[in-house]
Amino acid sequence: QVQLVESGGGVVQPGRSLRLSCAGSGFTFSSYAMHWVRQAPGKGLEWVAVIWYEGSNKYYVDSVKGRFTISRDNSKNTLYLQMNSLRAEDSATYYCAREVETLIVVNAFHIWGQGTKVTVSS
Amino acid sequence: QSALTQPASVSGSPGQSITISCTGTSSDVGSSKLVSWYQQHPDKVPKLMIYEGTKRPSGVSSRFSGSKSGNTASLTISGLQAEDGADYFCCSSSHTSSFGCVFGTPTRVTVL
Repeated sequence: QVQLVESGGGVVQPGRSLRLSCAGSGFTFSSYAMHWVRQAPGKGLEWVAVIWYEGSNKYYVDSVKGRFTISRDNSKNTLYLQMNSLRAEDSATYYCAREVETLIVVNAFHIWGQGTKVTVSS
Repeated sequence: QSALTQPASVSGSPGQSITISCTGTSSDVGSSKLVSWYQQHPDKVPKLMIYEGTKRPSGVSSRFSGSKSGNTASLTISGLQAEDGADYFCCSSSHTSSFGCVFGTPTRVTVL
């Protein structure tokens, strides 16, 4: 079945780094743009980043620009989020999400992973 | 970029119709065709209900419909059912943000 599985979350000190991974299966991973969306405890959703299906374009929410990097390895059906210079306000559950249709980006997060929790604390 | 404005709560009885509003500005909702809606039950993963303003993904009930007027997008749930009780979020692309979408503050739907 169509599935996304995140990993890599954990507890990290402010200023440190963490890399999240998201493995896709059950669909042609290389045909879909992918997003990261986060949700702080008890809060709403926040879009974080998007990467085009072939990796040519990447965009970020202003609060993570210059600190986070989205990437993908289509040969491994895996999406990544490299998070550097982490701050307390980055603490959240991070979800990877697949676009609803192939080859385009319409900001429609159709398939979601189960989420991986990131806690930034000293 | 400010979050879109949604009512904190909306309630209705089974069988009724309810509408959740999502108010933005002319820079986002008012000028975007890319408005989506998500349902999230407690401790569950969000589910896409509507995208591109009015489209339903396969498997989503036709009781859910989307619309837009000016700077306000709306999600209507007709024939309200107990399982519709959840949090709902809208998300709109914006000309002032870098390509992604801005979410609204969640609306808690209660089925009386």
